[in-house]
Amino acid sequence: AQTVTQSQPEMSVQEAETVTLSCTYDTSESNYYLFWYKQPPSRQMILVIRQEAYKQQNATENRFSVNFQKAAKSFSLKISDSQLGDTAMYFCAFMKGYGGSQGNLIFGKGTKLSVKP
Amino acid sequence: DVKVTQSSRYLVKRTGEKVFLECVQDMDHENMFWYRQDPGLGLRLIYFSYDVKMKEKGDIPEGYSVSREKKERFSLILESASTNQTSMYLCASSLNTGELFFGEGSRLTVL
Repeated sequence: AQTVTQSQPEMSVQEAETVTLSCTYDTSESNYYLFWYKQPPSRQMILVIRQEAYKQQNATENRFSVNFQKAAKSFSLKISDSQLGDTAMYFCAFMKGYGGSQGNLIFGKGTKLSVKP
Repeated sequence: DVKVTQSSRYLVKRTGEKVFLECVQDMDHENMFWYRQDPGLGLRLIYFSYDVKMKEKGDIPEGYSVSREKKERFSLILESASTNQTSMYLCASSLNTGELFFGEGSRLTVL
């Protein structure tokens, strides 16, 4: 069975600084996908970034980037130039490769990030 | 703009009551999900459906059932609510890409 572990329940960062959220996972699958989701206070959860395991290049979306270390089964999220609107719960998630998964994700327990002015 | 709508943002029910939580999506997605979110436990999958009238148990299906009579609608049913079902319930839909589109959540309190 796959597991996803986020070891930092809470973190804080000053506005404009950089912060890295950690995520490790365990799987025997060779084909899979990893995700970071963001849940702002009292708002809907949204996808931040996605990484395909077969791609060596780390995914980037504007100020958000990942450090994907496949051998170490590590998938950290880096937020550059933090903004107050980045304050949220962040969830790391795993999905097996296409073919029977029906988009079923396994989530970590989340990291609560506070961006301070 | 894509949208997943959950019928109730806040509900208060009594132990033993039957509770319906409804979810509607307007994106023609095949897959729909019900998660439960509790502090320190993250999101746990209750049930999911990959087609009309199809359903699959997730990690914590006990005490819950679901109904999917139409592609756009996925209902979660608590046959006899208990206090340990007090939680935030999140509905989501997706294609098979892993990008889930979530509703705003339904916070249920069972007294």
